[in-house]
Amino acid sequence: DIQMTQSPSSLSASVGDRVTITCQASQDINNYLSWYQQKPGKAPNLLIYDASRLETGVPSRFSGSGSGTDFTFTISSLQPEDIATYYCQQYDNLPYTFGQGTKLEIK
Amino acid sequence: EVQLVESGGGLVQPGGSLRLSCAASGFTFRSYWMHWVRQAPGKGLVWVSRINTDGSSTNYADSVKGRFTISRDNAKNTLYLQMNSLRTEDTAVYYCARTRRGSYFPWGQGTLVTVSS
Repeated sequence: DIQMTQSPSSLSASVGDRVTITCQASQDINNYLSWYQQKPGKAPNLLIYDASRLETGVPSRFSGSGSGTDFTFTISSLQPEDIATYYCQQYDNLPYTFGQGTKLEIK
Repeated sequence: EVQLVESGGGLVQPGGSLRLSCAASGFTFRSYWMHWVRQAPGKGLVWVSRINTDGSSTNYADSVKGRFTISRDNAKNTLYLQMNSLRTEDTAVYYCARTRRGSYFPWGQGTLVTVSS
């Protein structure tokens, strides 16, 4: 199975800050990587797919980058509504696997 | 509006069975591969199973292989997960999700399965 190592596990930042989360795959995943946002008690929501493509309707302050095994998710200017847990997911090989999540809090 | 609505969760004793359903609307259900993903309380997301468009091909996580069966009824726009020989470690919120080249959009709202005596 492909292991997805996501960091940090938690993060505290101020409104307006630039926030970065990283995800490292245990092998090349051919950019088959998504990022999801999950708010408490809700289902995850797709933000980024194919490592860097923004899902329709998602604010442009969210972005993704990277290739091969190393990927980055960025919020350019943190907003209060961005408080959530964020997950990366690889879909290059079954079983599709997720990072352990990054819980984002407002400072 | 593209929508998935799960049902069928509940409390079941270890060794028992449960069938989850996922009703799809707002898109051509028969054209999409579908997946189940679960999330234990306070934990992360774990892939469970997937099925192709006509139901002829299925895959399972090792942890559920031989106990869970995924199926679909394209005439009813519904996805199923039959869960047998349930264990306490199967306790989780179960989500169905439509896949588009592997990424999941949308997800259902989830249904809670609790396995406990």
